[in-house]
Amino acid sequence: GNSVTQMEGPVTLSEEAFLTINCTYTATGYPSLFWYVQYPGEGLQLLLKATKADDKGSNKGFEATYRKETTSFHLEKGSVQVSDSAVYFCALMFSGGYNKLIFGAGTRLAVHP
Amino acid sequence: SAVISQKPSRDICQRGTSLTIQCQVDSQVTMMFWYRQQPGQSLTLIATANQGSEATYESGFVIDKFPISRPNLTFSTLTVSNMSPEDSSIYLCSVENPRAQGDYGYTFGSGTRLTVV
Repeated sequence: GNSVTQMEGPVTLSEEAFLTINCTYTATGYPSLFWYVQYPGEGLQLLLKATKADDKGSNKGFEATYRKETTSFHLEKGSVQVSDSAVYFCALMFSGGYNKLIFGAGTRLAVHP
Repeated sequence: SAVISQKPSRDICQRGTSLTIQCQVDSQVTMMFWYRQQPGQSLTLIATANQGSEATYESGFVIDKFPISRPNLTFSTLTVSNMSPEDSSIYLCSVENPRAQGDYGYTFGSGTRLTVV
């Protein structure tokens, strides 16, 4: 079946460190891929997305590239801030039918000054 | 992207009672989705609500426990019935963004944090 696997957290970093959160997927066909962020006490916000192979999504200094050959969509940021502390969810979606999002387990990021 | 107003934002309820969560969207949408996020867990789809038809429930979720209304294209409610402490979760509604506007993806409500005591 279709699924998303994320690296386990929590990920603890110092401010200005480099961030990578791994995400791989299993899917039949070619899904669209998303990263959502959930700040403490809030709902989900779309962080970035990519709809086809080799697309790079970017937003707020975060980037992720849709790699079909490795079925991956790793999230990266060159220099994290305390305000980036949140839970990050990788998700995939297929078009056609009704378009259900399938989420990974989420990765908690804690950034310390 | 659509803008969703979800309420209540949080509630503490007695076991055995029911809570109805509302989501209002600022544009007409065909489908609305309801998710549950148990403490420390990811999101699980409860059901998909189409206007004018019965909601479609995912495996493990039943209409008697989570009745859904969808009276028009901008509004939906989810009721958590006969609550127990195991129902303590964040409940979120979601809509797909209008593809015609090139905004491919989903928008989520801010969530309802439910605690059952």
